[in-house]
Amino acid sequence: ETGVTQSPTHLIKTRGQQVTLRCSSQSGHNTVSWYQQALGQGPQFIFQYYREEENGRGNFPPRFSGLQFPNYSSELNVNALELDDSALYLCASSPGSSVDTQYFGPGTRLTVL
Amino acid sequence: SQQGEEDPQALSIQEGENATMNCSYKTSINNLQWYRQNSGRGLVHLILIRSNEREKHSGRLRVTLDTSKKSSSLLITASRAADTASYFCATDTFQGAQKLVFGQGTRLTINP
Repeated sequence: ETGVTQSPTHLIKTRGQQVTLRCSSQSGHNTVSWYQQALGQGPQFIFQYYREEENGRGNFPPRFSGLQFPNYSSELNVNALELDDSALYLCASSPGSSVDTQYFGPGTRLTVL
Repeated sequence: SQQGEEDPQALSIQEGENATMNCSYKTSINNLQWYRQNSGRGLVHLILIRSNEREKHSGRLRVTLDTSKKSSSLLITASRAADTASYFCATDTFQGAQKLVFGQGTRLTINP
């Protein structure tokens, strides 16, 4: 157990809808990163938040957005869902802004129909 | 895009044998990490090796890093059925956002 939780576990949406995924980091971890993992692929970095500010972003469009809250929780929001957004979404927390060991949650499986 | 490429993509061995997985990457790195993932669930951190280190051990795991060849290997000795999982290498680069860049993984199956 990493102490990182995510909700919901599974989610089914239709194309064009919006979705919010949630993550609760380990206490004291002020950095959270989000990753998208398509079936059979490795995770791809979406963005990172450090002390409630976006700290870096991968090659994802603006319809992927995030929030980080002072209570070590965070959100990933995806607007105008597309079929290719179907994936496992992972959040990972770490104690600092440098990338050392990241502690991953179990993920949210999103299916877009 | 994927920074690391794992080799082989799939590996099947008998319980008790050793398993070796390789990872190659493209750009200079701060460190390289190996993670395990069971059946599409969350990733579990196994080991981190820094760019100035050449070898590291943790229990039955041995990781090597050759920065001149931009490659790393993960050796699991005396494999067990519970080691069945996907294994990913991830690099932390000097460039851009502070992020982990993962390869596509090696699917390891340990047969009893």
